[in-house]
Amino acid sequence: GENVEQHPSTLSVQEGDSAVIKCTYSDSASNYFPWYKQELGKRPQLIIDIRSNVGEKKDQRIAVTLNKTAKHFSLHITETQPEDSAVYFCAASETYSGGGADGLTFGKGTHLIIQP
Amino acid sequence: GAVVSQHPSWVICKSGTSVKIECRSLDFQATTMFWYRQFPKQSLMLMATSNEGSKATYEQGVEKDKFLINHASLTLSTLTVTSAHPEDSSFYICSARGLLAKNIQYFGAGTRLSVL
Repeated sequence: GENVEQHPSTLSVQEGDSAVIKCTYSDSASNYFPWYKQELGKRPQLIIDIRSNVGEKKDQRIAVTLNKTAKHFSLHITETQPEDSAVYFCAASETYSGGGADGLTFGKGTHLIIQP
Repeated sequence: GAVVSQHPSWVICKSGTSVKIECRSLDFQATTMFWYRQFPKQSLMLMATSNEGSKATYEQGVEKDKFLINHASLTLSTLTVTSAHPEDSSFYICSARGLLAKNIQYFGAGTRLSVL
């Protein structure tokens, strides 16, 4: 089955600086890679996702890059703000032709702390 | 956006009793629902995949007789923890995937189960 490794487990950055979280996956059949943000006691919220036919995707201050050859993908947050503090999870799954994505395999999460 | 409702949010039960958790897609039809388990400060682990009108597919190591899943309609899936024991205490989160945005999973708010 799929195995997703995520680093670092904790990341502390100064407000306004950039944060980068990295993930690797093992199953070459995986082709869908979402990132979720989870605040304490709340549900995971999808913040950005990327499919394997794209190398990079950006949405305002958030970007994700994918290197399918190396089987790794990264989340980049620029101009960090206090409200970015949360746990971030990467995930991977396979999509089937004509169907949707399979269940997600999650990384262990990164606790992002934005220092004021 | 798509809304997934999960009920109850918190339940305490005695050892040996059964607990039912409901997951509803409120404004879209969910062809597939997923059930995850999350231990404190850890990642989400996929337990099973539930397709409307068919039997659930369980991940390796998850007892299907212990965790009964029913997906009788396109808007409702239930997870019943049978004969619960203290080791079943955990945070259970469902997610739902619709017909249109097939890759995106929308998560419920989770159910915290405490077995005494």
